[in-house]
Amino acid sequence: QAQLVQSGAEVKKAGSSVKVSCKASGGTFTTYAVTWVRQAPGQGLEWMGEIIPVNGVTNYAQKFLGRVTFTADESLTTVYLDVHSLRSDDTAVYYCARVPGNWGAPAWFDPWGQGTQVTVSS
Amino acid sequence: IALTQSPGTLSSFPGESATLSCRATQSVSNNYLAWYQQKPGQAPRLLIYGASSRATGIPDRFRGSGSGTDFTLTISRLQPEDFAVYYCQHYGSAPDFGQGTRLEIK
Repeated sequence: QAQLVQSGAEVKKAGSSVKVSCKASGGTFTTYAVTWVRQAPGQGLEWMGEIIPVNGVTNYAQKFLGRVTFTADESLTTVYLDVHSLRSDDTAVYYCARVPGNWGAPAWFDPWGQGTQVTVSS
Repeated sequence: IALTQSPGTLSSFPGESATLSCRATQSVSNNYLAWYQQKPGQAPRLLIYGASSRATGIPDRFRGSGSGTDFTLTISRLQPEDFAVYYCQHYGSAPDFGQGTRLEIK
């Protein structure tokens, strides 16, 4: 059973950047995409976009274009989320999840990482 | 496509059934509709995909139905561990989630 393991909690200053990792435990992402979803305190789920690690193709939600970057390492076991120019309203739990559709085909999100708390202070 | 879930909060007794609704602003192609359960401090968990297919390990008390713009998650014989927040999601070209329904113990 695939598992995704994310990096630990971060506290950052407004205006700085944060990098969150998501590692596939026990294998690679093969041809599946990895998506990022965030959840602000007490709020719902917000889709940020996705990356297909094997070819680096990305698809960003309009809201996050230019302010987030998805990357993957060459081993195809870890993907990264960079959020730039952090603001207080970026304080949230950030989740990665696998999208089990080949080469970015539409699919549900499963499994999910455990989440990474990012807190932005002014 | 925007998704609206109702009710916002549903109060039920253990053992009862609960019916959660998800309505889309336009037809969801290929029934690309999923349901997730989220408990406090935990990541969401996939319950249903393709509008009606149960994910691995999900008990048959959870049933998804619907097509087009109207979808339903029905939970029968509510167990204490079922009380949580439930989200519907369409996973087309720009995935999006409903705002969630909180299922609480009456």
